[in-house]
Amino acid sequence: AQSVTQPDIHITVSEGASLELRCNYSYGATPYLFWYVQSPGQGLQLLLKYFSGDTLVQGIKGFEAEFKRSQSSFNLRKPSVHWSDAAEYFCAVGPRGNTPLVFGKGTRLSVIA
Amino acid sequence: EPEVTQTPSHQVTQMGQEVILRCVPISNHLYFYWYRQILGQKVEFLVSFYNNEISEKSEIFDDQFSVERPDGSNFTLKIRSTKLEDSAMYFCASRPSGTITDTQYFGPGTRLTVL
Repeated sequence: AQSVTQPDIHITVSEGASLELRCNYSYGATPYLFWYVQSPGQGLQLLLKYFSGDTLVQGIKGFEAEFKRSQSSFNLRKPSVHWSDAAEYFCAVGPRGNTPLVFGKGTRLSVIA
Repeated sequence: EPEVTQTPSHQVTQMGQEVILRCVPISNHLYFYWYRQILGQKVEFLVSFYNNEISEKSEIFDDQFSVERPDGSNFTLKIRSTKLEDSAMYFCASRPSGTITDTQYFGPGTRLTVL
């Protein structure tokens, strides 16, 4: 069965510092991978997704993620974090078709001055 | 930009009571979903709905749960007799079509507290 692991429950970074949020997945075939962000009181907003092709995908708000099949990873990165990036980040895997997403437990990002 | 809306944002109920959580998906979307997140745990799939019927459901979605699209715009989740363990954030999502590259768009969630 597919699963997603986000090893870091909570990360704190300084504003302007770089960020990497880790995501590992378990899935038998080619996965479709997503990162969502949830700000307080908001829904889950899609940051980026990977279906095929270039393994480095660009998303909104300056985020990017790299799919590494050999490591079963899809880590999210941002070169310079802004205070408004403080939120909960969810990695998800979605098999083909209309099947539901499988989420990780999320990583809460705090940004300090 | 169109978005999924959910009401209420927070619902408090007594154990054993029925609750209905409401969602208005994006208007041209065809697939609808409910997920939930118990505090501190993963977002979990409950049910998907297409063409006025359930297309898939998880083991969580037992006989206490039901979904309905009563009027072509709303999509509701009913819990017949709530339990303490139903306390969670419930997310509705919708998707335009069945193609692989379509994205699920999520609402802001309803926090359900069962006392």
